[in-house]
Amino acid sequence: ETGVTQTPRHLVMGMTNKKSLKCEQHLGHNAMYWYKQSAKKPLELMFVYSLEERVENNSVPSRFSPECPNSSHLFLHLHTLQPEDSALYLCASSPVAMNTGELFFGEGSRLTVL
Amino acid sequence: AQSVTQLDSQVPVFEEAPVELRCNYSSSVSVYLFWYVQYPNQGLQLLLKYLSGSTLVKGINGFEAEFNKSQTSFHLRKPSVHISDTAEYFCAVRPKPPNAGKSTFGDGTTLTVKP
Repeated sequence: ETGVTQTPRHLVMGMTNKKSLKCEQHLGHNAMYWYKQSAKKPLELMFVYSLEERVENNSVPSRFSPECPNSSHLFLHLHTLQPEDSALYLCASSPVAMNTGELFFGEGSRLTVL
Repeated sequence: AQSVTQLDSQVPVFEEAPVELRCNYSSSVSVYLFWYVQYPNQGLQLLLKYLSGSTLVKGINGFEAEFNKSQTSFHLRKPSVHISDTAEYFCAVRPKPPNAGKSTFGDGTTLTVKP
């Protein structure tokens, strides 16, 4: 199994749909992250969870709703999205939140909002 | 607060030629430095990192980087590139203890290796 697994890899949804992105890490880490990667924009940190508690929320619109039921799983619930939300959503993990080590990324979920 | 500037958005190079991808940073605290690579349709993976000690660090796939504190730079180099090195490369910094904080990424450099 790969360290960080994201599903689905590709998702197309209408603006009125509700869908969820899933991330699972098999590394025994305690912190998980959601990043947004848009074309021609820098990587944007959306949310950080440490030991299942949200420790950072970078002014993300409420149409994005994260959930971390345990330290191995992270979800991003999506509803009433806008076309500008189309992007690659990357999940990452690390041993401890905001620690000094590197991030371990999943392969991303490519979201297209029609 | 930290910022990272990758000086070249695109670097085309021929196979077996040397390459340097440039990264400058600014920070009010000491930082650790990282280079990540993103191959097409994949997530980011760590190439190498500088935490302390020797300023020349070696990473995977024959890449190396040199930390220059006076110039606040962390340039990535490879003496001979392969077609398979075509990818997006990201420089990142993260505060050293006792400071805590998130990683700050540069905008990325697209390396295209041509035959």
